[in-house]
Amino acid sequence: DVKVTQSSRYLVKRTGEKVFLECVQDMDHENMFWYRQDPGLGLRLIYFSYDVKMKEKGDIPEGYSVSREKKERFSLILESASTNQTSMYLCASSLRGGTQETQYFGPGTRLLVL
Amino acid sequence: QKEVEQNSGPLSVPEGAIASLNCTYSDRGSQSFFWYRQYSGKSPELIMFIYSNGDKEDGRFTAQLNKASQYVSLLIRDSQPSDSATYLCAVRNPYNFNKFYFGSGTKLNVKP
Repeated sequence: DVKVTQSSRYLVKRTGEKVFLECVQDMDHENMFWYRQDPGLGLRLIYFSYDVKMKEKGDIPEGYSVSREKKERFSLILESASTNQTSMYLCASSLRGGTQETQYFGPGTRLLVL
Repeated sequence: QKEVEQNSGPLSVPEGAIASLNCTYSDRGSQSFFWYRQYSGKSPELIMFIYSNGDKEDGRFTAQLNKASQYVSLLIRDSQPSDSATYLCAVRNPYNFNKFYFGSGTKLNVKP
């Protein structure tokens, strides 16, 4: 059974703070993803990683950075949190390639920036 | 134009009826399509995927793909109140298989 876990379910931070969101998967997947989900906008890709230390920008990378030092762990970093980064953050993982490979999602982190 | 478009709903159907959820996509080169269900406050979970034209059935769920018209549908037969959720359509980027585009989802309410 694929398991993707995220470090926090709920997080409250102040504007300007540095925020770390951690994601861990236990299925030896090559690919890992960070999305944010906002009402009416759906899921938007922030960054993804296709291998250790490799990353690629998604559709909305501004204000975010990522780190992947180990295959099973993918971190999202908000260098200086702002109120417009209040959102639900979802981590996902998948095997690389193949038309049928899908993504498996973690439970999500609901971040509130005050 | 968004890559994937869905009617946000809500779509209300009575228990036992067929619920029909639709999704259109913009890139004619797209090949792989996925339907996810997301309960309120939870993360998306895969229901099924389809990549060939026509119908694909899995229990009460049927995915339909029409590449010529660039739409994909999900039919839920014998709808149950437990099917009430938001349904997300996702399309794999045909030029970068590692990336997916998601629609904003259709909220389905099944009334007992």
